[in-house]
Amino acid sequence: QSVLTQPPSVSGAPGQRVTISCTGSSSNIGADYDVHWYQQLPGKAPKLLMYGNSNRASGVPTRFSGSKSGTSASLAITGLQPEDEADYYCQSYDSSLSPWDVVFGGGTKLTVL
Amino acid sequence: QVQLQESGPGLVKPSETLSLTCTVSGGSISGYYWGWIRQPPGKGLESIAYIYYTGRDTNYNPSLKSRVIISVDTSKNQFSLKLSSVTAADTAVYYCARRLHGSGGDFDPWGQGTLVTVSS
Repeated sequence: QSVLTQPPSVSGAPGQRVTISCTGSSSNIGADYDVHWYQQLPGKAPKLLMYGNSNRASGVPTRFSGSKSGTSASLAITGLQPEDEADYYCQSYDSSLSPWDVVFGGGTKLTVL
Repeated sequence: QVQLQESGPGLVKPSETLSLTCTVSGGSISGYYWGWIRQPPGKGLESIAYIYYTGRDTNYNPSLKSRVIISVDTSKNQFSLKLSSVTAADTAVYYCARRLHGSGGDFDPWGQGTLVTVSS
């Protein structure tokens, strides 16, 4: 069971807006630690999508955006494209595991209808 | 740009030690942290360990700490993972990745991954 909770799946039609949530607690996201997001296309390695909550990694389209509030973070994709169909993972720091600091969400499969 | 490539046996017998190496090309291993992350078939990501290029700063996932050793060889621009006493539960795709910051930092870029199967 992951420290960070993500919905197992989300879906949307091309052109629509979808959001993926990453829910944590007071020892991770709620303690104002950064959240990072990764995109994993089918059969490929994960790729950094967003870092530091809301910063797009190099080459990432502007239709991807990230935000954080309280004990949750969200990844939003506007103008959904077929090539966005992938698994998405959030990552953050959890002080309750110190000195270990890497926690991932369980992942969300995005289906483009 | 920096590229990472994992290498090592694709099949390891139960109770033996899994050994993987990550070769960094297109840039220096110096100045960064380097880590290993794995993904069992059909499952999510699990971070295993990471190390600073000097080798002096290492950090291990508590759930694996007793079986893992991570090391770095700056002369070869490589870092390595050893996981002992493996079982079928250790079957996974193993990725290596760069980490800009130690605590709380993201992983970027990643290697393509290598599938390691634990089976007799």
